[in-house]
Amino acid sequence: AQSVTQPDIHITVSEGASLELRCNYSYGATPYLFWYVQSPGQGLQLLLKYFSGDTLVQGIKGFEAEFKRSQSSFNLRKPSVHWSDAAEYFCAVDLSSNTGKLIFGQGTTLQVKP
Amino acid sequence: DAGVTQSPTHLIKTRGQQVTLRCSPISGHKSVSWYQQVLGQGPQFIFQYYEKEERGRGNFPDRFSARQFPNYSSELNVNALLLGDSALYLCATSQGSGYGYTFGSGTRLTVV
Repeated sequence: AQSVTQPDIHITVSEGASLELRCNYSYGATPYLFWYVQSPGQGLQLLLKYFSGDTLVQGIKGFEAEFKRSQSSFNLRKPSVHWSDAAEYFCAVDLSSNTGKLIFGQGTTLQVKP
Repeated sequence: DAGVTQSPTHLIKTRGQQVTLRCSPISGHKSVSWYQQVLGQGPQFIFQYYEKEERGRGNFPDRFSARQFPNYSSELNVNALLLGDSALYLCATSQGSGYGYTFGSGTRLTVV
């Protein structure tokens, strides 16, 4: 079955430090890949997406993600974290089956220390 | 341009009751998907509608139903509410597969 794994449930980093959030997917072909961010009690905001082409994708708020086909991974990175980045981050895949079905990982909660 | 609008924002219902949640898509978006997000978990796919037709259904019981109107807005209905239906219900709209999805802020449903 198709699945998305975010191995880290909770990550704490110091403000100004670099960040990497991991995401692995299980699917035969290359799906469309997304990272979303969710603040408490809010909906999801799209950070970036990968459909095809350049495997390094730039997003909003200084985030980037790299697609690695050999590792079935799509890790999210940010060189310098700000306190306002504290939130929950979700990786998701779209199997391109035209059903609008996104499969989400369980999320990673990011805490930022001052 | 208005984003995805969901109503109501919060709702408290009693077990056994029925509830209707509403979603208005971004102008030009013909696809509407519904997701259930239980506290501490990622969203789970419930339904997708495109051009008023059901295109996908997740692993949810028949108590859950939805429809899409000619203006592409959508309603999600849940009958015979259970305590376990308490969750954040999210609507996501899109121009179609491959364009990405924009989420609304959700409806927080509490069943008591």
